[in-house]
Amino acid sequence: GEDVEQSLFLSVREGDSSVINCTYTDSSSTYLYWYKQEPGAGLQLLTYIFSNMDMKQDQRLTVLLNKKDKHLSLRIADTQTGDSAIYFCAESIGDYKLSFGAGTTVTVRA
Amino acid sequence: GAVVSQHPSWVICKSGTSVKIECRSLDFQATTMFWYRQFPKQSLMLMATSNEGSKATYEQGVEKDKFLINHASLTLSTLTVTSAHPEDSSFYICSAPGGGPGTEAFFGQGTRLTVV
Repeated sequence: GEDVEQSLFLSVREGDSSVINCTYTDSSSTYLYWYKQEPGAGLQLLTYIFSNMDMKQDQRLTVLLNKKDKHLSLRIADTQTGDSAIYFCAESIGDYKLSFGAGTTVTVRA
Repeated sequence: GAVVSQHPSWVICKSGTSVKIECRSLDFQATTMFWYRQFPKQSLMLMATSNEGSKATYEQGVEKDKFLINHASLTLSTLTVTSAHPEDSSFYICSAPGGGPGTEAFFGQGTRLTVV
């Protein structure tokens, strides 16, 4: 079955970089995703990476994929207070379905 | 980009009553929609796949008589929580498939259900 795991909490100082890690189990996943959820809100797609890539950069966001170890990470450069949220790692499991991790709560402190 | 709208955003109901949650694709058609449930501090769990014109497909462990899904049109899917109990209190989110790479799913804003 599908199983996505990620650390539950991360505290980071404003201006520093945040790194959120995730491991997944389905090696056939075509895409891997990072979603952001602010309190009481739905999910916002932050970025995604195709499984044959090992890195993708999108402004302050950098995604690294180690397919051999099934490890995915999201780096947020120059973390701001508006980046405080829950970040979900997700893998595609076919037919437009997604399997999510439990989410990492990122708290940005001044 | 494509928009999925969910209504209501939050609802409080008494035990034993039923609650209907709507999920609409606003500017595109969706023959398939997905319903997820999220408990506090936990991930989203896929409950069921809603299919326009046919029966929904439920994930293992999800009671289909408890969570009624109707996909009445190409832009609307509804989830009805029947005879709600406090343990049904949760955050329910729907999604519709996207059209290509990186647009695997468009999510609604979610519905916070509290059963008292």
